[in-house]
Amino acid sequence: ETGVTQSPTHLIKTRGQQVTLRCSSQSGHNTVSWYQQALGQGPQFIFQYYREEENGRGNFPPRFSGLQFPNYSSELNVNALELDDSALYLCASSTGTGVHIYGYTFGSGTRLTVV
Amino acid sequence: DAKTTQPPSMDCAEGRAANLPCNHSTISGNEYVYWYRQIHSQGPQYIIHGLKNNETNEMASLIITEDRKSSTLILPHATLRDTAVYYCIVRVEGGGADGLTFGKGTHLIIQP
Repeated sequence: ETGVTQSPTHLIKTRGQQVTLRCSSQSGHNTVSWYQQALGQGPQFIFQYYREEENGRGNFPPRFSGLQFPNYSSELNVNALELDDSALYLCASSTGTGVHIYGYTFGSGTRLTVV
Repeated sequence: DAKTTQPPSMDCAEGRAANLPCNHSTISGNEYVYWYRQIHSQGPQYIIHGLKNNETNEMASLIITEDRKSSTLILPHATLRDTAVYYCIVRVEGGGADGLTFGKGTHLIIQP
């Protein structure tokens, strides 16, 4: 079985720009969640998608948005980039019913640098 | 999710058992203890989880105290590849749509 793949692996953007990060779920997984990990910190939950809809969200502003596609792959979009958005962005796929989630598998992340 | 407390860093000699503690004094009766680890430049990896009985798998053992207020993750024969940040998380099994709550974890360094 293939794991979770994320692209690109590294990215440099300018403050104020918009960015799209991509994630392919592990085979058989129907739920995707995204995390932001600043340097020296643990990952922080951004949001979760189940059946192509956001069904859970952490403490992140609306300029962080996402999509889930019928094949369960996902995108994370960040508008109006700020310097503090520089971080490792992790995607995790899992199985579940939307309410009950099991078996998180994480990708290796996208390292975003905002200058 | 209940809050956990872990030491920021620990050292262990290669080949020895690494014992990583976690305090979770406010854990609820239906919350499990989960352990993940994150090797440098990779995403977190699930290790093990348990409710109240001790658990063992091919990666590690989990010892939970009888009052469930603390636990210890044991890597029986640590290797250099076990150098990573280890996260202890308490969570209702299945959890819901609110994601995993990571703290800062314990940076375990295996010394040759």
